[in-house]
Amino acid sequence: AQTVTQSQPEMSVQEAETVTLSCTYDTSESDYYLFWYKQPPSRQMILVIRQEAYKQQNATENRFSVNFQKAAKSFSLKISDSQLGDAAMYFCAYLNYGQNFVFGPGTRLSVLP
Amino acid sequence: NAGVTQTPKFRILKIGQSMTLQCTQDMNHNYMYWYRQDPGMGLKLIYYSVGAGITDKGEVPNGYNVSRSTTEDFPLRLELAAPSQTSVYFCASNWHQNLGNTIYFGEGSWLTVV
Repeated sequence: AQTVTQSQPEMSVQEAETVTLSCTYDTSESDYYLFWYKQPPSRQMILVIRQEAYKQQNATENRFSVNFQKAAKSFSLKISDSQLGDAAMYFCAYLNYGQNFVFGPGTRLSVLP
Repeated sequence: NAGVTQTPKFRILKIGQSMTLQCTQDMNHNYMYWYRQDPGMGLKLIYYSVGAGITDKGEVPNGYNVSRSTTEDFPLRLELAAPSQTSVYFCASNWHQNLGNTIYFGEGSWLTVV
């Protein structure tokens, strides 16, 4: 079964600085999708960014970008110019054909003013 | 466009009571899911459905039941509520999973069993 690991239960970053959240996953498949979701204190789940495994280019969405290393099965999220509103739980998720989403345990990000 | 709507948002149950969490989506999604999230933890899949009339167990199905009589609705039934079922419940949906379409979540239902 596929597993998703987030080795950093908690991270903190100074406002305006850059932080990278780690995610690794285990799969024997070659085509799949990876996602980062943000969950603020309101508990709402918000899609941050998505990566398709067959695409070499790393996905970017404004201040959010990923470093996708397929061979290493690594999918880290970089947040640039961190803002107070970025404080949240961040979940990495994996999706394969015919499978359900597999979520990692989450990383709690604090942003310090 | 309402997306995924869950009701109620908050509920307190007594041990042994039963209740149904309602979930409806207006995006014509074929896949629907119920997750639970315990404090400080990630999401655990309870049940899912790949279309009307089809449901399957997820990781933690015990103590729950679901039905999917229509594409739009996917209610979650708790029978004989127990304190271990105190959690936040999320309904979610997506379209054509094999295309990697992102999953849309409801706002969550906070359930406390006392």
